[in-house]
Amino acid sequence: EIVLTQSPATLSASPGERATLFCRASQSINSNLAWYQHRPGQPPRLLLSAASKRATGTPARFSGSGSGTEFTLTITSLQSEDFAVYYCQQYHYWPPEDTFGQGTKLDMK
Amino acid sequence: QITLKESGPALVKHTQTLTLTCTFSGFSLNTDGEGVGWIRQPPGKALEWLALVYWNDDKRYTPSLKSRLTITKDTSKNQVVLTVTNMDSEDTATYYCAAYYGSSGYRRVADYWGQGTLVTVSS
Repeated sequence: EIVLTQSPATLSASPGERATLFCRASQSINSNLAWYQHRPGQPPRLLLSAASKRATGTPARFSGSGSGTEFTLTITSLQSEDFAVYYCQQYHYWPPEDTFGQGTKLDMK
Repeated sequence: QITLKESGPALVKHTQTLTLTCTFSGFSLNTDGEGVGWIRQPPGKALEWLALVYWNDDKRYTPSLKSRLTITKDTSKNQVVLTVTNMDSEDTATYYCAAYYGSSGYRRVADYWGQGTLVTVSS
């Protein structure tokens, strides 16, 4: 099973600041990685797929990078609605053995 | 507009079988590339992918739970059903259904999600 490790577990930042979240895979997954945003009381929302491709409706301040085992989600100029939990998901193998990271909570400083 | 809604019991007893229904709209699950899956989240824990069914009735399961899961689709009703046998306290979670939509082939990311339904297992 591919294990995804997200860091930090919690990130405190202020509106307007830049936030960088990390996701490390236990083995190479090429670019088969997605990022989701999960706000309290709402379902998760797809932000990015293929490591860096923004989903429909994802604001341009969200960007993703990386390949292999190291991935980054960057949010420039944080807005109040960006404070949430972020999960990465790998979808490398077929048949699927998809897994999620344990999440990074982005909270307001 | 694509929407999904989960329905099923809020409480099940230990060893019982859980049956959850996902009713969707805005797509048909008859077109190349479309899929519906289930993902759960135990309280305070991470998301866990469970199962997926594609437009062509190709069904996939997470290996660790494969023996306990069954996913089926009824496109005439726009529904996908997940059953989980032999429920245990570790299965207490919010269960989400999601649409895999927006490209041809076997889409692997969940583009649209339902609100989720909390299922608690009692002893």
